[in-house]
Amino acid sequence: DAGVIQSPRHEVTEMGQEVTLRCKPISGHDYLFWYRQTMMRGLELLIYFNNNVPIDDSGMPEDRFSAKMPNASFSTLKIQPSEPRDSAVYFCASSFNRDNSPLHFGNGTRLTVT
Amino acid sequence: GDSVTQMEGPVTLSEEAFLTINCTYTATGYPSLFWYVQYPGEGLQLLLKATKADDKGSNKGFEATYRKETTSFHLEKGSVQVSDSAVYFCALSEPGGYQKVTFGTGTKLQVIP
Repeated sequence: DAGVIQSPRHEVTEMGQEVTLRCKPISGHDYLFWYRQTMMRGLELLIYFNNNVPIDDSGMPEDRFSAKMPNASFSTLKIQPSEPRDSAVYFCASSFNRDNSPLHFGNGTRLTVT
Repeated sequence: GDSVTQMEGPVTLSEEAFLTINCTYTATGYPSLFWYVQYPGEGLQLLLKATKADDKGSNKGFEATYRKETTSFHLEKGSVQVSDSAVYFCALSEPGGYQKVTFGTGTKLQVIP
C-alpha cells in the first residue's frame, strides 16, 4: 500500500490567495483526519470525516477554512483567503473504523503564507 | 475531557543511554494508549500501542506498559541509537467507534554519538 498521499509537499503563497491541500487516504479506511502542526500550538485536529461525512469540524479555526471529501479516496482542505498565521504543516491521516485502530499519517504539506 | 501530558523536551542523550519519556493521561472511559514517532520531514507513525490495563506494547526495542492505577504510559528503551532521534507523541483513543485521538505535545529526543 502506498500509504496516505498528500500534495503538494510544499506550498508558498501570498496573503489573500486561495490554497488547496489534497489528500488520498489508504484504501479501505473509513476515517479521514486533517491536522495542523505548529511550534507554538503543537498538533491540532481541524476536522475529521467518517465514510466521507464530516463528523466534527470544531477545530477549524474560522470560516476561511473548509474541507470536503467528495468520495472515499480524496479529500481537500481549502483556505480562502490565506493569512501569514496559517503557515504550518498540515497533515492528513486515515484509519479503519475499529477500536484501537491507529492513525496512518501522510508526510504533510508545509504551507508558507507571505 | 480527555488529555495527555508528556514530559517537556528536548531530551538529549548519549548513544546507548537508557531512555524514559513520561506520559500520563486523563480519560473518562478505558482508552487505548499509543506512542507515535515523527522523524524530521515526515508524518507521525505508530510506534507501539496497548489496549487494556497491564498490557505492554513493544516495538524496535521500545516498550511502554499501560498502568491504569497511575494513569501512565511511559516510554522506555534500554539503549538508544542516533537513529532514534525524533519527536515522540503519546496519545489516547476512547472506545466507541468514533476514532478521535488525543495527542500530547510531543517530546523531542536527540541522541548524540
